Amino acid sequence: DAKTTQPNSMESNEEEPVHLPCNHSTISGTDYIHWYRQLPSQGPEYVIHGLTSNVNNRMASLAIAEDRKSSTLILHRATLRDAAVYYCILRDDNYGQNFVFGPGTRLSVLP
Amino acid sequence: ETGVTQTPRHLVMGMTNKKSLKCEQHLGHNAMYWYKQSAKKPLELMFVYSLEERVENNSVPSRFSPECPNSSHLFLHLHTLQPEDSALYLCASSPRDRGYGYTFGSGTRLTVV
Repeated sequence: DAKTTQPNSMESNEEEPVHLPCNHSTISGTDYIHWYRQLPSQGPEYVIHGLTSNVNNRMASLAIAEDRKSSTLILHRATLRDAAVYYCILRDDNYGQNFVFGPGTRLSVLP
Repeated sequence: ETGVTQTPRHLVMGMTNKKSLKCEQHLGHNAMYWYKQSAKKPLELMFVYSLEERVENNSVPSRFSPECPNSSHLFLHLHTLQPEDSALYLCASSPRDRGYGYTFGSGTRLTVV
């Protein structure tokens, strides 16, 4: 499985943008980049995913580097409810591989 | 609610007890998963069921016994557990088609005493 590297923790102020980085230098051409987050006392939930182009949805934006060796999850205005562990996961969606979770980034949002 | 329901939410059991965790989904998914999340460790995939057939068992001790009677229900039967088995047990489901993600339940917090 291709590996990802994320910072252990990050802090943000409420209502400010947050950029969560993920490095995946060994990504293969068919690996999709998935982001999940896990709020306290809950299971992980889907945030966003992409292959090559930047992606936007109502929760976040995903910026993918041109060489695909890194990506950034962007929360445009952090709220207290965004405090969670954020996981960046590579998966070859064409073969339906299982998701393998790393330690993720623990995001704290300060009021 | 995510559409994946796990019961009970909390469970305390002795090492000699037998208990079962239940997971239920009505999302029309045909793959279901058990994950274990111990304190300060990443999620670990335990079992995978696809179309009610177990397709993956990641070296899980036999004191954990999964059961998938139909595509909507998944059980994890527990017996003679150890204190180090205390963890959050998460169930997930997916359409098992290419490109789809997982929907997780809220988990069962298990404490073995």
